[in-house]
Parts: sequence; structure tokens; C-alpha cells
Amino acid sequence: EVQLVDSGGGLVKPGGSLRLSCAASGFTFSTYSLNWVRQAPGKGLEWVSSISSSSKYIYYADSVKGRFTITRDNAKNSLYLQMNNLRAEDTAVYYCARDRGGDSYWYFDLWGRGTLVTVSS
Amino acid sequence: DIQMTQSPSSLSVSVGDRVTITCRASQGISNSLAWYQQKPGKAPKLLVYAASRCESGVPSRFSGSGSGTDYTLTISSLQPEDFATYYCQQYYSTPPTFGQGTKVEIK
Repeated sequence: EVQLVDSGGGLVKPGGSLRLSCAASGFTFSTYSLNWVRQAPGKGLEWVSSISSSSKYIYYADSVKGRFTITRDNAKNSLYLQMNNLRAEDTAVYYCARDRGGDSYWYFDLWGRGTLVTVSS
Repeated sequence: DIQMTQSPSSLSVSVGDRVTITCRASQGISNSLAWYQQKPGKAPKLLVYAASRCESGVPSRFSGSGSGTDYTLTISSLQPEDFATYYCQQYYSTPPTFGQGTKVEIK
């Protein structure tokens, strides 16, 4: 089955760190750009970060630049998001999402179920 | 960043109604526009890309149109499973940005 399974969310204190993971199956992981998109409770969608198929190109939203790091391991069919210095405004469901069509298409045809990150003291 | 503005923010409709949702970009995006459907507690689902191309498996009652800065998602005859929130997204330039969403509710 073609799917993305995201995990690693939880409750963390402001200033803390968390690492999200996304496991892919059913498709050739190494040929697609991958992304993280988040959704604060009751709010809309916000793109967070993108990584190209070979990890050559990496992009971040201004709101997370310098605090979050996106990586991937093509041998393990896995995507990661290291989140440091977390703030209350980072509280959201985080989705991993695949670029439709391959590398750097910037719209997303396959999504994980999402993992909830709550930043609170 | 390109700002995406959807209208209306919500609408109450009946099964069988024709529904039109509009999305306006703060600058021209050359048809680099996608539409998503999201149901409560679920991930978004891609419906339309390149402004008017329907994703495989999407019912034919969904269609997209537009050009320049103004785009439209139309549901020709709303079905019970179509009650959801719909988002537009531009991918003309980085960062990709989403509209604020349009919630389609049962009248």
C-alpha cells in the first residue's frame, strides 16, 4: 500500500525539542521531494519545510528557520523533522506530504495521518 | 510571500446544490494552483492541480478553473460526502501558501 506514516509527536515544554519521523512505503521514496505541513488547532494549513529527493535542496518557512531541521534517509524510506527551541505557536498537527509527480512540484498528493505536537508548560 | 484569499469562509448548502468557491492570489500565479478537501480529523486530499486538472479518482462533479490571480473550485451537485473544508494552495513561488479555507456545511 502506498502510504506515509508520521509519528513522534507529543507534549513538550517551551524551549524543548522533538523529532518527528515519517515512514514511507509502496512507492520509490528516493525519487520524490517530501514536505512537512502543519495545522494549528482549528486553523488552516501552513507549509513548514521541504527536502528534495537527493537532499540537495532544502527550504524552510520563515517561522521555523534556524529552529527546525529537515532530513531524510533514502535507504530507510524515512523523513525526519528535528524541532528545537519549540514555542507555543508551534503547537499543531504535523503532516508529512509527498510532492506529486516527483521532485520539487510543490503540491502534495500523498499525506500522512498527522502527529500532534503540543508545546505547553 | 503570495497571499491566498478564499471566499466565502463558510457556506451552508443542501445536497444537490451547485457550489462555487473562489480563491484570489495577491499576484499572478500562472495556474500554479491546487485544491484540497479536508474532513475533520483527516489529512487533506488533493482534488485539483494546475488550476483545472483533476487528480485521479476524484469524482467528475469537481472541477477547477481560472487564470491570473482568480481561481474557482466548483462542485456541480453536492453529495453528502462532500461536506468538508476546502483549501486552495499556490505553488508558483516559494513558500507555497494556502488559503484560509472554506467550510461547506449542511443547510
